[in-house]
Amino acid sequence: SQKIEQNSEALNIQEGKTATLTCNYTNYSPAYLQWYRQDPGRGPVFLLLIRENEKEKRKERLKVTFDTTLKQSLFHITASQPADSATYLCALDLSTGGGNKLTFGTGTQLKVEL
Amino acid sequence: EAGVAQSPRYKIIEKRQSVAFWCNPISGHATLYWYQQILGQGPKLLIQFQNNGVVDDSQLPKDRFSAERLKGVDSTLKIQPAKLEDSAVYLCASSPPRGLAGGYSYNEQFFGPGTRLTVL
Repeated sequence: SQKIEQNSEALNIQEGKTATLTCNYTNYSPAYLQWYRQDPGRGPVFLLLIRENEKEKRKERLKVTFDTTLKQSLFHITASQPADSATYLCALDLSTGGGNKLTFGTGTQLKVEL
Repeated sequence: EAGVAQSPRYKIIEKRQSVAFWCNPISGHATLYWYQQILGQGPKLLIQFQNNGVVDDSQLPKDRFSAERLKGVDSTLKIQPAKLEDSAVYLCASSPPRGLAGGYSYNEQFFGPGTRLTVL
């Protein structure tokens, strides 16, 4: 069965530093991988999608890498700010003909301190 | 653009009672999903609809959970009877048809705020 692992411990970093979150998966070869942000009491919000043939994707201060050989994705937030504090979820995209089916990791809680 | 709407936001019931959740997806989104998120875990897909047809319900506990999407728009998720382990946040999400214009990736999902269920 598919297994997705994210850092189970919270990640605390100082404002201005780069945060790096890890997502490892086994027993699957996803066509896509997605990253979401979730704040307490709210639903996840989509951040980035990266395809299997893409090595890297950027959006403003966010960068995602995807290594299908290592079965790993790294999510970077540069110049981090306290407002970036949230739980970040990675999800494997099991696309079907009728839509896309996501399997989520457990999430990593990020706290950016002043 | 209005987001995914869910109600109620909170619900407290006793075990063996029944409960229903409602979801209104973003207009034009053909695919609708129900997820269960237990505290400290990621969302787990319960059921996926394409218009008013079920695409995947392999992880739905069908002895107690049921869902419908009449007319391919709104959806309801019901639990009857509830168990203590059903305490969780129930999230509804929708996604647009592939290739739909609008400036977003066609595979992203838009989530509602969720319903927090507590079973006592």
